[in-house]
Formats: sequence, structure tokens, C-alpha cells
Amino acid sequence: KAGVTQTPRYLIKTRGQQVTLSCSPISGHRSVSWYQQTPGQGLQFLFEYFSETQRNKGNFPGRFSGRQFSNSRSEMNVSTLELGDSALYLCASSPQLVYNEQFFGPGTRLTVL
Amino acid sequence: AQTVTQSQPEMSVQEAETVTLSCTYDTSESDYYLFWYKQPPSRQMILVIRQEAYKQQNATENRFSVNFQKAAKSFSLKISDSQLGDAAMYFCASQGGSEKLVFGKGTKLTVNP
Repeated sequence: KAGVTQTPRYLIKTRGQQVTLSCSPISGHRSVSWYQQTPGQGLQFLFEYFSETQRNKGNFPGRFSGRQFSNSRSEMNVSTLELGDSALYLCASSPQLVYNEQFFGPGTRLTVL
Repeated sequence: AQTVTQSQPEMSVQEAETVTLSCTYDTSESDYYLFWYKQPPSRQMILVIRQEAYKQQNATENRFSVNFQKAAKSFSLKISDSQLGDAAMYFCASQGGSEKLVFGKGTKLTVNP
């Protein structure tokens, strides 16, 4: 099976812009989670989707949003970008919602100038 | 709420030697899973080993094994016969019930030839 894919791999934006990141899970996986990784805060959970429904949400402002499509592909959107949004955004998929190994994608490196 | 603590920001080991990475966690869930993930310089998160909390037997995967002390809420990772390819960031993580996966801050492991 193909692994989790994320596009784009690298992205440079300026403050105030918005960005959309995409994640395609492993075939058959219905759960997709998003994480933000920064040197200072480590890995922080953004949200999790299962069967097109958001099941869990982390402590991030409303500028961060996401969705999942019927084919389990997921997108996350960040509006009004701030310098502090510069991070590695990781997507992970798993077959079920709980108690499963999460398979991570290679990440999208977002730089906000 | 779940918390995961990794008290060793950095560790080093000589090639072929054994190293133990520490992790403590806290959860109010009665049923939960614990994980160790590895993140090499390529940034791709890879599952190293997982432990179901209801199992008393410590999980092992080749050179990797855990010491799971449920009462003490401790979950350490032992790497035997360390190899240069083991150099990476290692993250301990916990997931309970329908809660999100919570990561520790990570331990950077250096393997010296």
C-alpha cells in the first residue's frame, strides 16, 4: 500500500495570507489526524477526523480549520497567517478512531515570512 | 487529560551499546495504549513499538523493548546493540479512550561510532 502523502512538501507564505494543506491517507484508513511540530512546543494535536466528522480538536485558534472528504482525504486550512504558524505540519492516518498505530506522512514545512 | 513527560532532552550512546530512554505519563483512562515513535532527520515519524496497558508483558520488537511499569506510570524504551541508524528524536506518546494521541517533548538520541 502507498503511505500517507502530504502536499505540498514545502510552502512559503507571508503574514496575513491563508494556506491549505492536503493529506491523503493510506487506502482503507478512515481516521486522519493533524499535528503541528515546532522546536519550542513540540508536537501539538490540531484535530482528528473520522468518516468526514471532526472527532477531536486541539487548543488552536479558529484560524485553523480542517475537513475530510468522502474518500478520507483531508485538508487543513490556516487563515490570516502569523509568523508563529511556521512549523512542520504532520498528517497521520489510522484504520480506526482509537487504539491504533498512526501512520505519519512526511509533513509539510510551512514558513511564514 | 493526558500528559506525557520525557525528562531527557538528549542522550548519547556508543555504537553496539545499550541505552534506555525514559518516559512517564499520566492518564485518567483505565484502558490506553502507549507508543514510542522515532523521527530521524528526514522528519518521517515511524512507530518503534507499542504497548497495550492491559497487557502485563512488556512489548519487544527486535532490538527495541519497553519496561512498562503501570503502577508507576512509567514506560521506558531500551535499545540494544545500538546502530548509527538509530540516531533520531524519540517521542513517547499515550492514547486513551477516545482521546487524542499525546506526545512528550522528545529525546534526541546520538549514536557515537
